[in-house]
Amino acid sequence: ELKVEQNPLFLSMQEGKNYTIYCNYSTTSDRLYWYRQDPGKSLESLFVLLSNGAVKQEGRLMASLDTKARLSTLHITAAVHDLSATYFCAVDTLPGTGNMLTFGGGTRLMVKP
Amino acid sequence: GAVVSQHPSWVICKSGTSVKIECRSLDFQATTMFWYRQFPKQSLMLMATSNEGSKATYEQGVEKDKFLINHASLTLSTLTVTSAHPEDSSFYICSAASMAGVEETQYFGPGTRLLVL
Repeated sequence: ELKVEQNPLFLSMQEGKNYTIYCNYSTTSDRLYWYRQDPGKSLESLFVLLSNGAVKQEGRLMASLDTKARLSTLHITAAVHDLSATYFCAVDTLPGTGNMLTFGGGTRLMVKP
Repeated sequence: GAVVSQHPSWVICKSGTSVKIECRSLDFQATTMFWYRQFPKQSLMLMATSNEGSKATYEQGVEKDKFLINHASLTLSTLTVTSAHPEDSSFYICSAASMAGVEETQYFGPGTRLLVL
């Protein structure tokens, strides 16, 4: 059974600081997704990582994938309050079949002014 | 970008009644749609995979007779919660897989919040 674990589960940080969220998964996969969820809302796609060594950046967020270590990271640079949300990683267990995604438990990020 | 809609966004119903939730891909065709359930402060749990023109594939522990899924067309899937009970109260999110382009990805609907009294 595929397991996807995120840590930390909860993160409170000051504006302007940096931090990294980790996503470990237990089986071979070379497709990993990061999503953002605001309270009461659905998921917003942030990054799609499709190969080992993939790195993508959007604003203050940067995601990377190491398929050998079965690890993805989401790095936050100089956090701002608007980044407060819950972040989920998800692993595609059956590529090519319309994505069977298994989600991590989520990391709730709170950025304090 | 690809847009997925859900209807209704909120529903409150009495115990024992059935509730239908629609999921539509607005500007693309989706041969596969997914239904998720999310309890408060928890992650998304896949309930079932819906393929156009065939029976849905349910995840372990999900009752197929309780959660009826119909994928009538390439742009519409419906989830019917039959004889709903308070424990079925949850946030139901659908997604649709887009095969266009290099990056195959799922696009998520805005979710339907169900409260069963």
